[in-house]
Amino acid sequence: SQKIEQNSEALNIQEGKTATLTCNYTNYSPAYLQWYRQDPGRGPVFLLLIRENEKEKRKERLKVTFDTTLKQSLFHITASQPADSATYLCARGDQGGKLIFGQGTELSVKP
Amino acid sequence: GAVVSQHPSWVICKSGTSVKIECRSLDFQATTMFWYRQFPKQSLMLMATSNEGSKATYEQGVEKDKFLINHASLTLSTLTVTSAHPEDSSFYICSARGLGYGNEQFFGPGTRLTVL
Repeated sequence: SQKIEQNSEALNIQEGKTATLTCNYTNYSPAYLQWYRQDPGRGPVFLLLIRENEKEKRKERLKVTFDTTLKQSLFHITASQPADSATYLCARGDQGGKLIFGQGTELSVKP
Repeated sequence: GAVVSQHPSWVICKSGTSVKIECRSLDFQATTMFWYRQFPKQSLMLMATSNEGSKATYEQGVEKDKFLINHASLTLSTLTVTSAHPEDSSFYICSARGLGYGNEQFFGPGTRLTVL
C-alpha cells in the first residue's frame, strides 16, 4: 500500500530561522505531492503542489522539493515567524485525485 | 479563491441517533467531493469519494451503510452517520475539486462530532 511518512516529532525553531520538514513516500512515485497547513480544530489549507517531474517549487517564503531517487519531499519555510506555528501535512496524490496524508509535523516557532 | 463550507461546525448527539453533515462549495462547482475523518493527533483518513450524480466510492474498511453519502448537486454533498456510537466521535472534514482548479482540493473547516 502507498504510505506517506512525516516526522511525528514536533519541530521547534527560533524566529527568523529556516524550518525544514520531511516527507517520505513508499513504492512508486506519486503523480504529485501536496503540502497543507492545519491549525487546531480547523480544516487543512492548501500551500503548494509539486509534480513528479518538478524538482522544486517556490511560493513567497515557502519552498518544496521532490526527489524521486530518495522518495522524499522537503518543505522549507524561510525567515520563519511565530505565525507559521501549525501542523504541516504532506499528501500524495494520484491522477484520480485521491490524497493519502501523512500524520503531519507540528512546527513551533519561538519569538 | 474557492471556498468550501461545512455545517454544522460541531454537533453532540446521543448514541443510536443519526447525524447529517453538509458540505457546500460556495463559489465553484465541485465535480468531486471527498470525505475524511481525523482522530486527535492523527492524520486525515479518506473515507469516500463522491462524484455528482453517482454513488460514492468508499475506502476499504469504511461501512457504506453506516456512513451514507449523497452528492445531489455540484455544490452540495452530505454525510450521514447512522446509528452513531461513541467510537464515531471524530473530526469530519470534506474537500472538493472543481473544474479549472486542476488537482487542488479545497477543504472545509471540519465538523466535530461527539457521540455520548
